[in-house]
Amino acid sequence: AQSVAQPEDQVNVAEGNPLTVKCTYSVSGNPYLFWYVQYPNRGLQFLLKYITGDNLVKGSYGFEAEFNKSQTSFHLKKPSALVSDSALYFCAVRDLGDMRFGAGTRLTVKP
Amino acid sequence: DGGITQSPKYLFRKEGQNVTLSCEQNLNHDAMYWYRQDPGQGLRLIYYSQIVNDFQKGDIAEGYSVSREKKESFPLTVTSAQKNPTAFYLCASSGTFNSNQPQHFGDGTRLSIL
Repeated sequence: AQSVAQPEDQVNVAEGNPLTVKCTYSVSGNPYLFWYVQYPNRGLQFLLKYITGDNLVKGSYGFEAEFNKSQTSFHLKKPSALVSDSALYFCAVRDLGDMRFGAGTRLTVKP
Repeated sequence: DGGITQSPKYLFRKEGQNVTLSCEQNLNHDAMYWYRQDPGQGLRLIYYSQIVNDFQKGDIAEGYSVSREKKESFPLTVTSAQKNPTAFYLCASSGTFNSNQPQHFGDGTRLSIL
């Protein structure tokens, strides 16, 4: 069975600095990997996905993620954080239809 | 605009009462899902449906029931057997169950005990 881990409950960065939100996964086959963002009292919004191809995936709002097969990681990154990026971020892995979500990482960007 | 509509946004349940959460989608998606979100635990799958008139239990189905009589609708009933129903409930859909496309989410229903 597949699983996904987000090792940090909380990430704090200063506005304008680069940010990284970490994700590692475990699957038996080739994974479909996703990042979502959640604002308070809202549903999850899709940011980006990796299916196949280039290891660096670009998504919405300037976010990108790097797929690393040898390290089984799919870290979310952004070169310059905004205060409005403060939210809860979820990594997810899909294998044979079944979708598994990480526990979430709360990102706080301070002015 | 296509999307998923969940209602109500807030719901209160009395002791021994069943309550039903509504989920409607106009994305023409075959697959629909119900998740429960608790603080610090991420999303846990309650039930999913791959197609109309079919549904399967997820990881935490006990105390919940669903139906899928129409493609657009996937209501969730929280029964009195669910002893700890206080949570944020999210409905989602995807084109097909095995799709490599992302799931689309509604804005959730927050259920509390009176």
